[in-house]
Amino acid sequence: QSVLTQPPSVSGAPGQRVTISCTGSSSNIGAGYDVHWYQQLPGTAPKLLIYGNTNRPSGVPNRFSGSKSDTSASLAITGLQAEDEADYYCQSYDSRLSGSWVFGGGTKLTVL
Amino acid sequence: QVQLQESGPGLVKPSETLSLTCNVSGGSVSSYSWSWIRQPPGKGLECIGYIYYSGSTNYNPSLKSRVTISVDTSKNQFFLKLSSVTAADTAIYYCARYEGRAYGVDVWGQGTTVTVSS
Repeated sequence: QSVLTQPPSVSGAPGQRVTISCTGSSSNIGAGYDVHWYQQLPGTAPKLLIYGNTNRPSGVPNRFSGSKSDTSASLAITGLQAEDEADYYCQSYDSRLSGSWVFGGGTKLTVL
Repeated sequence: QVQLQESGPGLVKPSETLSLTCNVSGGSVSSYSWSWIRQPPGKGLECIGYIYYSGSTNYNPSLKSRVTISVDTSKNQFFLKLSSVTAADTAIYYCARYEGRAYGVDVWGQGTTVTVSS
């Protein structure tokens, strides 16, 4: 059972918009800790996709965006492409775990 | 740019100590913080812990009694030791650069598979 809750799967057709939610609590996201998002393509290491709730590292397309509100965060992907099919993880920190990292359980994105 | 490469035994016997090395190239190990993250087969990511450039460490509370992360600045490497392993420790182990709470983990190694079995 992950501290951060993500839907196990989402899907969308090419060109569509999808969102992935990450729900936490008052000891993690709700405490003001930053949320980061990672993309893991099949058989590869994760890659930083969004940092500090809303920021994209250099090279990440602006089709990817992040937001945060209260005790949850969301990753939005617009103009869905086949290459976006991957697992997506949110990550934050939790004061009840001495500030340790916590990950969401991951969401499998399928491009139909 | 910074590149990371994990190395170590792919097979460890139950009750023994898992030892991994992460070689850092293209940057100095003394300039950032460094982490170990693992992923059991077919499952999600789990932070094992990280070490700040100052040398202080932060470990996952569920693993804290068994984990040691250290750095060797002369070799530009950092290390993971996980003692008393069981089959539940079978996973892909990633080393990664940790930029801090506001920036996340921005550089990852390719990962190394460790199986715990007799």
